[in-house]
Amino acid sequence: GQNIDQPTEMTATEGAIVQINCTYQTSGFNGLFWYQQHAGEAPTFLSYNVLDGLEEKGRFSSFLSRSKGYSYLLLKELQMKDSASYLCAVRDNYGQNFVFGPGTRLSVLP
Amino acid sequence: DADVTQTPRNRITKTGKRIMLECSQTKGHDRMYWYRQDPGLGLQLIYYSFDVKDINKGEISDGYSVSRQAQAKFSLSLESAIPNQTALYFCATSDGTETQYFGPGTRLLVL
Repeated sequence: GQNIDQPTEMTATEGAIVQINCTYQTSGFNGLFWYQQHAGEAPTFLSYNVLDGLEEKGRFSSFLSRSKGYSYLLLKELQMKDSASYLCAVRDNYGQNFVFGPGTRLSVLP
Repeated sequence: DADVTQTPRNRITKTGKRIMLECSQTKGHDRMYWYRQDPGLGLQLIYYSFDVKDINKGEISDGYSVSRQAQAKFSLSLESAIPNQTALYFCATSDGTETQYFGPGTRLLVL
């Protein structure tokens, strides 16, 4: 079966660092994606990992361990505009489909 | 102009009515998807299509149908709308090698 877990909600302070975890059990794996979604808006692509390790993109980094079925998204120097939901998604072996986690709602406080 | 567009952006309808949500894309992608999102939940796949002649059911296809009229157009129909189909609907496209690109969403309310 397909199962992706993320914490439901997180809170952090402006300027701080926050790590959002994602664990997955899927029938196949061909990449893990992170999306940001502001309330009522479309998800937008943040990062992509297909090999183990850390991918860095400005204030955002994403890590993957395929053997552990685990990824995290790291957000540095938090800003108020980072308040949003963060969705973890796995693409299956054949690149056919994306399976989405429930999302983590992040609130950044002043 | 947006690469993926959806019409309408908002729709209110009554139980039992048939409605259609439309999606168009200018990215030239073969793959198109329809998702629904309920408050506080992730995206659930309704249907997907990998080319004009290919239609596949997703995890929650009951009560929905789709039509791929052209590479650029993928429409979702609710044959007889019911209140628990009230949700935010997203269309997405992909070329299969990279991420998906989402439309702005259609907010549907079924009374």
